[in-house]
Amino acid sequence: KAGVTQTPRYLIKTRGQQVTLSCSPISGHRSVSWYQQTPGQGLQFLFEYFSETQRNKGNFPGRFSGRQFSNSRSEMNVSTLELGDSALYLCASSWDTDEQFFGPGTRLTVL
Amino acid sequence: KNQVEQSPQSLIILEGKNCTLQCNYTVSPFSNLRWYKQDTGRGPVSLTIMTFSENTKSNGRYTATLDADTKQSSLHITASQLSDSASYICVVSDSAGKLTFGTGTRLQVTL
Repeated sequence: KAGVTQTPRYLIKTRGQQVTLSCSPISGHRSVSWYQQTPGQGLQFLFEYFSETQRNKGNFPGRFSGRQFSNSRSEMNVSTLELGDSALYLCASSWDTDEQFFGPGTRLTVL
Repeated sequence: KNQVEQSPQSLIILEGKNCTLQCNYTVSPFSNLRWYKQDTGRGPVSLTIMTFSENTKSNGRYTATLDADTKQSSLHITASQLSDSASYICVVSDSAGKLTFGTGTRLQVTL
């Protein structure tokens, strides 16, 4: 069974631009969660989607948004990028509220 | 407020030596505790998962312990190898499935 995949793996953007990251969960998994990871901060929860609906949300500004498609694939969008948005963005999938399996992440650099 | 604290923040050990990482939590009501290993620039990979009734669980050279009374867990690594160099993250789930992440312990194994 294929694992969680994320595209692209690396991305460089400039301040003010917007970016869309993609996540394909493990086949059969209905929940997709997104996390931001920066050095010293650990994993910060962004939001979780379950069956195309946002089920949980972290404490990030409205510039961070996401959606989930009927095939459970999910996208995350960040608008008006700031330097502080540079981070590793991780996606994790699970069947429901059980163990999460993480993807390799997308490394976003904002210049 | 649910919190997970890990210690030490970082650790350097010689190859072949053992080490123990600590995790203290205040998550309530407790559901399960997981240890993840995260290589630099990659997504976390699950090592162990323990529920309330489990005191110890092993995965090869990794042994996790849980004391639900004192709300403490440890991850013991036996006969360390260079490939053990990574960040180790403790994650605690409450009964609603909400996850609280520790900031991790960065382990470096040297020759």
